[in-house]
Amino acid sequence: GQNIDQPTEMTATEGAIVQINCTYQTSGFNGLFWYQQHAGEAPTFLSYNVLDGLEEKGRFSSFLSRSKGYSYLLLKELQMKDSASYLCAVLDSNYQLIWGAGTKLIIKP
Amino acid sequence: ETGVTQTPRHLVMGMTNKKSLKCEQHLGHNAMYWYKQSAKKPLELMFVYNFKEQTENNSVPSRFSPECPNSSHLFLHLHTLQPEDSALYLCASSEGSGRASVTGELFFGEGSRLTVL
Repeated sequence: GQNIDQPTEMTATEGAIVQINCTYQTSGFNGLFWYQQHAGEAPTFLSYNVLDGLEEKGRFSSFLSRSKGYSYLLLKELQMKDSASYLCAVLDSNYQLIWGAGTKLIIKP
Repeated sequence: ETGVTQTPRHLVMGMTNKKSLKCEQHLGHNAMYWYKQSAKKPLELMFVYNFKEQTENNSVPSRFSPECPNSSHLFLHLHTLQPEDSALYLCASSEGSGRASVTGELFFGEGSRLTVL
């Protein structure tokens, strides 16, 4: 079966750095997405990785290793507004999105 | 504002009621989706429409009935639901689905929170 694993919940301190991991086992691979979802709001697109390596976008970076079936989202200089759920999703060989259950990130002052 | 609007935002219904959820996208996209989001579970894809044609139905019970009159509007008709159907129902759109989607990026609405009593 297809599976995406990510931690259920993480806590970090304002101003610090946090890394949210995602591991996947899917039928083929056509890219990995990270979405951010604030409580009561729509999920919004953060990043898309299809090649190995690190993609940086401001305070957020996303890393992919296809050989290891592994990705992480790195958030730097954490702000209170970064408190949200972070969803990892993989596009499989049939171009179907397989979703993780999401990681709830709690930022403390 | 994501360009995808869902109404109502909250809905409480009895098991014998009939109600509908509405979704409208203002992005000129060709594909629209219904997802179910339950606490601490992955998003569950329910239906996909591409150019108004239903291309996927992921074994969804018949008490959920989708309708897509045009590429900008999507409905989910609900009847004789069960308490376990209580969840957040998210609508999303993209430029295309499957191989037609360039990056697969989805644009979501804020969801309709459904409670079945």
